[in-house]
Amino acid sequence: GAVVSQHPSRVICKSGTSVKIECRSLDFQATTMFWYRQFPKQSLMLMATSNEGSKATYEQGVEKDKFLINHASLTLSTLTVTSAHPEDSSFYICSARGQGIEKLFFGSGTQLSVL
Amino acid sequence: DAKTTQPPSMDCAEGRAANLPCNHSTISGNEYVYWYRQIHSQGPQYIIHGLKNNETNEMASLIITEDRKSSTLILPHATLRDTAVYYCIVRVASAGGTSYGKLTFGQGTILTVHP
Repeated sequence: GAVVSQHPSRVICKSGTSVKIECRSLDFQATTMFWYRQFPKQSLMLMATSNEGSKATYEQGVEKDKFLINHASLTLSTLTVTSAHPEDSSFYICSARGQGIEKLFFGSGTQLSVL
Repeated sequence: DAKTTQPPSMDCAEGRAANLPCNHSTISGNEYVYWYRQIHSQGPQYIIHGLKNNETNEMASLIITEDRKSSTLILPHATLRDTAVYYCIVRVASAGGTSYGKLTFGQGTILTVHP
């Protein structure tokens, strides 16, 4: 099946720094990528949808200036958490969809811990 | 997308069949039923999806009632590695729109397979 690679798997950073998370589709072209966030013992919450070459669409309540999403190519999307604070500590997961493909493929997730 | 209702938790003995129910009484005619699972600290994994006919693949079987208001995911011979959170999601299948493919996760069912 299709593979979505997400890096890093775990990151610890100081409060106020920025963190970049990469999501790559390894064997298909991802026309759309989705970014989710998951707090402990909770379900996945969609943060934003990004389409290659256009601006991301953010869900209500998600700050676009804090969570910068770039989808410059059909195989790579990045999520940058700017000026991270402890409350941004969470499990971030990307998913990708290819042209004409019904199902989404998910990355393995990134555990962000902000000290 | 239609809302789904799943039991919060279920237990199953190893080697036995695990039957996970899902209610989606407000499903529309053009909405598919998808099942994903999430093993602890990993990204969700696609299991199966269907529209109105029963479906089977190497992982599971999906039984959809004739009125499409509920479905059951069947893991025929559960193993310890099947312990996970199982999500039933209903989503429009038609193409179009920049957010096409978006999955909205509910709380899912925590399936625990015990020896």
